[in-house]
This record gives sequence, structure tokens and C-alpha cells, in this order.
Amino acid sequence: DGGITQSPKYLFRKEGQNVTLSCEQNLNHDAMYWYRQDPGQGLRLIYYSQIVNDFQKGDIAEGYSVSREKKESFPLTVTSAQKNPTAFYLCASSQGLGVRETQYFGPGTRLLVL
Amino acid sequence: DQQVKQNSPSLSVQEGRISILNCDYTNSMFDYFLWYKKYPAEGPTFLISISSIKDKNEDGRFTVFLNKSAKHLSLHIVPSQPGDSAVYFCAASAFTDMRFGAGTRLTVKP
Repeated sequence: DGGITQSPKYLFRKEGQNVTLSCEQNLNHDAMYWYRQDPGQGLRLIYYSQIVNDFQKGDIAEGYSVSREKKESFPLTVTSAQKNPTAFYLCASSQGLGVRETQYFGPGTRLLVL
Repeated sequence: DQQVKQNSPSLSVQEGRISILNCDYTNSMFDYFLWYKKYPAEGPTFLISISSIKDKNEDGRFTVFLNKSAKHLSLHIVPSQPGDSAVYFCAASAFTDMRFGAGTRLTVKP
């Protein structure tokens, strides 16, 4: 049963705290992505990775960091530098990097600031 | 700067009727367009796509129309079914750049 899992479903962050969102895929996909969704806006790309040990900034990378040590895992850390972290975060993967590659999404993590 | 806009946040139609979801874009470099469908508590799933060399692509009950001169695409669902109730995102892309709209929530009433 292949797919993408994200955990946790809900995450609470205190002021000044770093939190890490998990994303795992067993689709054997090379490319992985992190998006952020805010009310009334489309998905915005935070980071993407084409291959293990390589990743690139998207449109809104400030205040976020990622790692890609394993093909199946692409965790996102929301650092204290991200001043407005409350949002819905979606992870996705695709076979390759390219806009004609269908992206498969996880169920998302909603991050809330206490 | 929203390059892809879905101006209708919600749409309600009767079962069996046609659903038309609209999407406008501003970047003339976009050459590939996609629609994704999202149910609550699940991630978006790919529905249908169209290349800029076409003006129509059909897959069962779903048809996407592209009007390049107007920078407009639409998704038609005929006939609409209650199971089609979901949020629909359009996306437009060029090279490795993909932009998503904010989504339209479709409700199909029995």
C-alpha cells in the first residue's frame, strides 16, 4: 500500500520553539516537496528536493529548513525565525522533477502557535 | 502575487447537473495545467491535465478546457455526483515552476 504519510496531523508550537514535521513516502520517488497553504491562498512551495542530499529553496523558504538524508524521508523544520508559522503544510512526491510529473500528496499537518 | 486565481471559493450544484469550475492565470509562460481534487483529511490527488498545445482534454465525466488567449481554463464535470464534493485546485506550470490556485469547494447536492 504505497503512499505518503505525514505526522503529526496537528502540531502546536510555542513561541521561540523549533518544530519538525515528518514526511515519509514508499513510492520510490526521487523528488519531494513541501508546500504551505494559508486561507484563501494557493499552495506555496517552501522547499523541494530532486535527489538525496540535495534540496532547493522554493518561494517562501525563509524560516524553514529541510534535510534529505534518505530517499523516502523529507522532514521540514519550522524554526523560530518563521514569524507566522500557523498554516496547513503539505508534503508531496513525484517520480522525477518536472511539471509534467504527477505529484502525490500526503494528508497534511496543521501547525498552530500557542 | 497570485499568478493563478480561482475566483469562486465555493460552488453548489444539483446531482446530475453540470459543474463548471474556473481558473485564470496571468503568466503567459505557463504551458501545462492540472486539476487536483482534495477530500477532507486527505492530500490533493491528481485529476486531469492539459498541455498548452491542446484546448480540450477529456477523461470520463471530467473535461478540461483551455483558452490561451483569455488565460483561462475550466473543469467541467458531467454529470455531477455527490462523491464529487471536494475542494478542486487548479495548477499552472512552466519548466519546473508550478503555481496553485486557492481552490474551489464544490458541493453536489442529492
